[in-house]
Order: sequence, then C-alpha cells, then structure tokens
Amino acid sequence: QSILTQSPSVSGAPGQRVTLSCTGSSSNIGAGYDVHWYKQLPGTAPKFVIYGNTNRPSGVPDRFSGSKSGTSASLAISGLQAEDEADYYCQSYDSSLSGYVFGTGTKVSVL
Amino acid sequence: QVTLKESGPALVKPTQTLTLTCTCSGFSLSSGGVRVTWIRQPPGKALEWLARIDWDGDKFYNTALKTRLTISKDTSKNRVVLTMTNVGPVDTATYYCARAISYKSGWFWDNWFDPWGQGTLVTVSS
Repeated sequence: QSILTQSPSVSGAPGQRVTLSCTGSSSNIGAGYDVHWYKQLPGTAPKFVIYGNTNRPSGVPDRFSGSKSGTSASLAISGLQAEDEADYYCQSYDSSLSGYVFGTGTKVSVL
Repeated sequence: QVTLKESGPALVKPTQTLTLTCTCSGFSLSSGGVRVTWIRQPPGKALEWLARIDWDGDKFYNTALKTRLTISKDTSKNRVVLTMTNVGPVDTATYYCARAISYKSGWFWDNWFDPWGQGTLVTVSS
C-alpha cells in the first residue's frame, strides 16, 4: 500500500493554477528525504517532471514547480493546459521500510 | 539513447513463478553508478517499487515482498531479470523497469527513476 497520501483528484480551467499535495511522515519526507514527481498519461509509462523537490529537468515547462515543507511536498502547475491532464505521482524514500515509496496518485483534469 | 524494454509472460497461473526480463540499451549494466529498478502498477492503482540492482551487484528489495523476489543481471546481454515466486491474483499488474538516477542529497544517495520502459502487463489467473 502507498505510504504517501495524495488528493485523489484536482481540476482547473485552462490557464488556472492547481496545486497537488503529497503527505508523508517522519520516516520519509519528514526525515529529509527528497520528493520526486512523475506524470503518467493513460496507457503509458510515468515520466519524471520534478526531481529533488524543486528541480525541473530539461523539456519540462517552467509552469511546473515543486516544493517541500515538513512532512509534505507540493507540485504546482500554473497556466494549466489540456496536455497537463494526467495522473501525477510523488515518490520518496522511507527509512523504516528501507525502500522507495510512491504516493496514491492525483488525477488532474482540465475543465 | 537510453531505453529499457520489459518482456515476459502475459498470463501466469496462481502459485507459479513469474520471470520478467528488462533489456537495456544505451548504457552498460557493468558501468559504475548504473542502477536498474523494477516497479509495478495494478490496474487502476498506484505504483509500487519492487527491487533495485546496482552495477556492483548490490541488490535491494521491497521488504513486504522480499521473500518472493529475486533480482539479477546478465551483463553479457545487458539484461536485468526479476523473478517472483508463488504469484496470486493480487500480483496482476503492469511491470515496469527503469533506470535509477542517483545523486547525493545531504548524507543520502537518493534516486529518481528515468527513463522507464513501456511496461508489460501480467495477469495472474487460472
């Protein structure tokens, strides 16, 4: 089962800003481990959009930004576009499990 | 160009052993710093990390599945193999392999996963 909790869904109109949350605990995000974010289109493999909490790889629009505070992390998408409609997963490391953990996933819908 | 591709049976019977292969190209499994991981996703559900193998042979497993998983590599064929014993319907999922990209975050060598293979759907059913 997922150790990181995400809101099941979030929606917004084109051009709006949405924020996705990822809540962990003292053995993962709260312990200082970084959070990475992945975007998954239907029927395809995930692709990372943010690594190390805030870093955006080349090719990912600067509309995507990440942050982390305490036991939670967030992914913000500004200027929402139709192509942003997908499932998004956060990922971190958990010291009590000695392994990597993913979030429950958030479905982003563009109205 | 770095690519990974999964292969294996589409259908497996309960209690059988599942063997999946990840064929890697664009990098060598014997090169320093190379790590490959397996992740699965049941239909309509979240991702679950399974195992990782490093260039030096170190292996790491999901503790909940550790007794059923074995990860290995064949450097001559540049392949990573994952076996899962005693499968059941709950193991029905799309199985992905991915390269684990490492970096130093404070005291910890952290990883994110990129790129991923296309995934292979495995159904466990009699």
